[in-house]
Amino acid sequence: QVQLVQSGAEVKKPGASVKVSCKASGYTFTSYGISWVRQAPGQGLEWMGWISAYNGNTNYAQKLQGRVTMTTDTSTSTAYMELRSLRSDDTAVYYCARLSMVQGVIDWFDPWGQGTLVTVSS
Amino acid sequence: QSALTQPASVSGSPGQSITISCTGTSSDVGSYNLVSWYQQHPGKAPKLMIYEVSKRPSGVSNRFSGSKSGNTASLTISGLQAEDEADYYCCSYAGSSTSVFGGGTKLTVL
Repeated sequence: QVQLVQSGAEVKKPGASVKVSCKASGYTFTSYGISWVRQAPGQGLEWMGWISAYNGNTNYAQKLQGRVTMTTDTSTSTAYMELRSLRSDDTAVYYCARLSMVQGVIDWFDPWGQGTLVTVSS
Repeated sequence: QSALTQPASVSGSPGQSITISCTGTSSDVGSYNLVSWYQQHPGKAPKLMIYEVSKRPSGVSNRFSGSKSGNTASLTISGLQAEDEADYYCCSYAGSSTSVFGGGTKLTVL
C-alpha cells in the first residue's frame, strides 16, 4: 500500500536548522510530487510548499521563502524538508503528503505521513 | 494569501446530516474546481475525504459529499456516526502553484 514514513521528533534551539525526512513506498516515486504541511499546537493546517519528485522543481509558501528548502533523493524514494533560522513559532507537527499535480496545478494530498514534531525552545 | 473561512464548530446527532462551509475568494475557491477536504482525528494525520469539489477517493463512505457555489465550497456528511467526530479542513488551489487551507471545523457528534 502507498505509505509515507517520516523521521522522528526533533528538539532545536532558536536559530538552528532542522531537516525532516519522508520515505515513500508502494508507488512510483517520480510520478508524483511531495508537499509539506505543518500544524502548530492546537492550530490548523498550513501549506508550506511542494517539490516535484520527477524533476526537482519546487514552490514555497511566500512566508517561508528563504528559510525552507525541499529536496528529494530518487534513489531511496525519500523527500526532505529543511527549515533554517528556527523560531519558537516554528514549533509544530510537520507532515509530508503525496501530491497530485498537473503542470504545476495542485489537486490533492494523499496519503500523509505520520507527522514529525519539531520543538523549538531555548 | 489568507486562510479559507470555515465555522469553528458544528454538531449533530447520530443519523442526522451536517454541512460544513468553506468560503474563499475569486482567486481560489471561485476560480478552480480544485477544492479538497481532509478529516483529522486527534493525534492523527489528515485523511483525504473529497477532491476536485465532489469526488470521493476509493474507500471513503458515500455518506460524504462535496459541492461548490461561487466562492463557497461545502462538505456534507449524512447519516452521522460517532466515528465522524473529528476536525475537518478544506483546501483550495490558489493559483501560482500554491494551495491554501481553511482554518478547520470541529465536528461534534452529540
